[in-house]
Amino acid sequence: NAGVTQTPKFRILKIGQSMTLQCTQDMNHNYMYWYRQDPGMGLKLIYYSVGAGITDKGEVPNGYNVSRSTTEDFPLRLELAAPSQTSVYFCASSYEGGNTEAFFGQGTRLTVV
Amino acid sequence: QKEVEQDPGPLSVPEGAIVSLNCTYSNSAFQYFMWYRQYSRKGPELLMYTYSSGNKEDGRFTAQVDKSSKYISLFIRDSQPSDSATYLCAMSGWGKLQFGAGTQVVVTP
Repeated sequence: NAGVTQTPKFRILKIGQSMTLQCTQDMNHNYMYWYRQDPGMGLKLIYYSVGAGITDKGEVPNGYNVSRSTTEDFPLRLELAAPSQTSVYFCASSYEGGNTEAFFGQGTRLTVV
Repeated sequence: QKEVEQDPGPLSVPEGAIVSLNCTYSNSAFQYFMWYRQYSRKGPELLMYTYSSGNKEDGRFTAQVDKSSKYISLFIRDSQPSDSATYLCAMSGWGKLQFGAGTQVVVTP
C-alpha cells in the first residue's frame, strides 16, 4: 500500500498564481485533513472532510479551497498565492476520525515569492 | 485562545533522563488524545493514543490524561538520542483532529 501520497513535494509559486496540491490515499479512509506547518507553530488545520461530498473549515481556511468528489482524493486549491502561504502542507487520512490513527503524507514544501 | 496549547521548546536533556511533555486544551468536545512524533522533514507518526482519563504505558512511553483539568502529558523514560524529534499532542472530537504546536526534544549523548 502506498498510504497517503502528496504531489508535488516542492513548489515555488509567484504572488498571485494559483495551484492545486494533490492528495490521494489508498486505505479507503473516510476522513481526510489538510494541515499547514510553519516553523515552531505546529500543525494548523485548514480543511477536513468526513466523507465524499462533505467538507468543513478548520482553523485557517482563508485563501484555500477543497473538494472531495471521491473517497480517495482530497485536493487543496490555493487561489491568488500570497507570501503568507509559504509553508509545509501535510495531508492526512484516518478511518473513523480522531479515534483512529491518522496517517500523513510526506508533505509539500511551498514557497511563494 | 488556542484550543490546544503546547510549549514549543526546545527541550534538551541528557541521555537516560526522563522527558516530560504536556498540553492543555479548552474544548470539552475533545474525546480522544494522542501523541505524534515527527522527525525532521517527515510527516508525523502516531506514538500513543488514549481515550479516557488515566495512564497508558507502552514500553518507555507513558501517556496521562486528566479530563477534569483538560491536561495531557507524555513521559519518556531512559531517553535515547534516537528520541530526538518534535512531539505533537493531538486531540479530536466531532471529526476535527487538532494539534498542538509541537515540542522539539533533543537528547544529547
